[in-house]
Amino acid sequence: DTAVSQTPKYLVTQMGNDKSIKCEQNLGHDTMYWYKQDSKKFLKIMFSYNNKELIINETVPNRFSPKSPDKAHLNLHINSLELGDSAVYFCASSPWTGIENYNSPLHFGNGTRLTVT
Amino acid sequence: GQNIDQPTEMTATEGAIVQINCTYQTSGFNGLFWYQQHAGEAPTFLSYNVLDGLEEKGRFSSFLSRSKGYSYLLLKELQMKDSASYLCAVRSARYGGYQKVTFGIGTKLQVIP
Repeated sequence: DTAVSQTPKYLVTQMGNDKSIKCEQNLGHDTMYWYKQDSKKFLKIMFSYNNKELIINETVPNRFSPKSPDKAHLNLHINSLELGDSAVYFCASSPWTGIENYNSPLHFGNGTRLTVT
Repeated sequence: GQNIDQPTEMTATEGAIVQINCTYQTSGFNGLFWYQQHAGEAPTFLSYNVLDGLEEKGRFSSFLSRSKGYSYLLLKELQMKDSASYLCAVRSARYGGYQKVTFGIGTKLQVIP
């Protein structure tokens, strides 16, 4: 059973285009994230949603717009793609961090490798 | 803000023991994770520490000292398949009780015969 699934796995597109990446989790988690991993392999948080509400927005350009239609889905839309957007984008989820879930880790999807030419 | 430091690369011999260090500075510290990431794959969870001391899980152990802002991951009886990047990640509490998990740059471990 796939826990966190994101599509597509690979995305090759030209500068200026608009593209979307989809993410779904079947773990019943309340919190979902988007992370960007650049060519130096640095994994940097972009957004976090808790039960459809945006709770973290890490100074990401406005060209990036996350959308969470329900707590099991978190999609990422990118407008006017630039060369510097080329990276691997990881979706992740975790339970709401209460006393009973204090040691719950993030569960990652397999990543979407975006190449902008 | 947060600052997480770990060596970028390490090399160790098959069958040996290797220790990967991580130092951090953060406010609202609420736990430290270690993840393993093989090339081209997603990070996978290895261990979690929130109290001082050692947590052991088979060949892998993780240690935390909150007062020193220091953790290490210990890998014993190294196998070739342990060649991967090891990511130190710190969870911190934010306003409203929400949590944020910040990753270090990762340590690329190469295991040689």
